[in-house]
Amino acid sequence: GAVVSQHPSRVICKSGTSVKIECRSLDFQATTMFWYRQFPKKSLMLMATSNEGSKATYEQGVEKDKFLINHASLTLSTLTVTSAHPEDSSFYICSARESADTQYFGPGTRLTVL
Amino acid sequence: RKEVEQDPGPFNVPEGATVAFNCTYSNSASQSFFWYRQDCRKEPKLLMSVYSSGNEDGRFTAQLNRASQYISLLIRDSKLSDSATYLCVVAQYTGRRALTFGSGTRLQVQP
Repeated sequence: GAVVSQHPSRVICKSGTSVKIECRSLDFQATTMFWYRQFPKKSLMLMATSNEGSKATYEQGVEKDKFLINHASLTLSTLTVTSAHPEDSSFYICSARESADTQYFGPGTRLTVL
Repeated sequence: RKEVEQDPGPFNVPEGATVAFNCTYSNSASQSFFWYRQDCRKEPKLLMSVYSSGNEDGRFTAQLNRASQYISLLIRDSKLSDSATYLCVVAQYTGRRALTFGSGTRLQVQP
């Protein structure tokens, strides 16, 4: 099946720094990518929908100025966690939509903020 | 009320057992249904789509009851490798078609 990559797979940073996570669709073009967050033993929660060439759509309760999303090309979306704090520590997963009902997930990025 | 509800488990079953998971969803506008599998600290992977007519893939059978807004997954002849968290997932035909995940049901198959 299609492949989606994420980079980095793991990041540890100090409180107050910004962290950028990349999501790439490797063998298909994705006009829509999604960013999810998963806390331990919890479900994946949609944070935002990333649309190529336009602004991202954020879910209720997700601060758009804190979680900056850029979808500059059909194969790349980035999520920047600005001024990260320990409560932002989580597993961030992107997915890319290949067709109406088919999404492929990246391997995830584990963020730890000290 | 959560949009997608699942029994968190864990379900501890011996190898070879048959185990069933259930899921209910609240949004009657939901149009697509899936079961995903997630291993510890990994991303979710699509196990199978779910249709009203029911569908089977080897040892796995999924069923959808739209009237009751209920989805099920049956695993026969459980293997050790089936140990994972099984996520019930629904999607609406909205503009963005994001997936809504249940919190998952954990299965532990024991030797």
